[in-house]
Amino acid sequence: KAGVTQTPRYLIKTRGQQVTLSCSPISGHRSVSWYQQTPGQGLQFLFEYFSETQRNKGNFPGRFSGRQFSNSRSEMNVSTLELGDSALYLCASSRDWGDTQYFGPGTRLTVL
Amino acid sequence: GNSVTQMEGPVTLSEEAFLTINCTYTATGYPSLFWYVQYPGEGLQLLLKATKADDKGSNKGFEATYRKETTSFHLEKGSVQVSDSAVYFCAGVSGGSNYKLTFGKGTLLTVNP
Repeated sequence: KAGVTQTPRYLIKTRGQQVTLSCSPISGHRSVSWYQQTPGQGLQFLFEYFSETQRNKGNFPGRFSGRQFSNSRSEMNVSTLELGDSALYLCASSRDWGDTQYFGPGTRLTVL
Repeated sequence: GNSVTQMEGPVTLSEEAFLTINCTYTATGYPSLFWYVQYPGEGLQLLLKATKADDKGSNKGFEATYRKETTSFHLEKGSVQVSDSAVYFCAGVSGGSNYKLTFGKGTLLTVNP
């Protein structure tokens, strides 16, 4: 069974731009969660989607948004990029709440 | 809310040494507990898990036991290898946190030949 895939793997943007990251979950998994990983803050939860609905949200500004499609694929968008948004963005999928989450390789975003 | 406190590194060991990485948690209810491993330049891989008290998770020679009385989930391996060099994250999830994973800060392990 294929794992979680994320595209692109690397991105370089400049301040003020916006970016869209994509995540394809493991087949049959309907829950997709997003995390931000930085050296200073560690792993922080962004949001979780299930059946195209956001069920849970972390403490991030409204510039961070996401959505989920009917095939469970998910995208996250960051608008008006700031230098501090440079991070590894990880997507994880699971069958549902409380089930084990499996992570993708991440998208490395660098904001210049 | 939930929190995970993990021994901070870095930890440097020689090959075949014994490894312990401490992890304690604070949670509403009874969380499921996990250890994830992150190799350089990669995402997180599930190493092992335990879903209830006294459960022992094990994989690739690593073990961790869910101790309710001490709220701990310490990671152990009897004989580490150079290929075990990575960052290890302890994490927990429960209904009290709306099932979002809460991570420790990670422990960098370096194993020298």
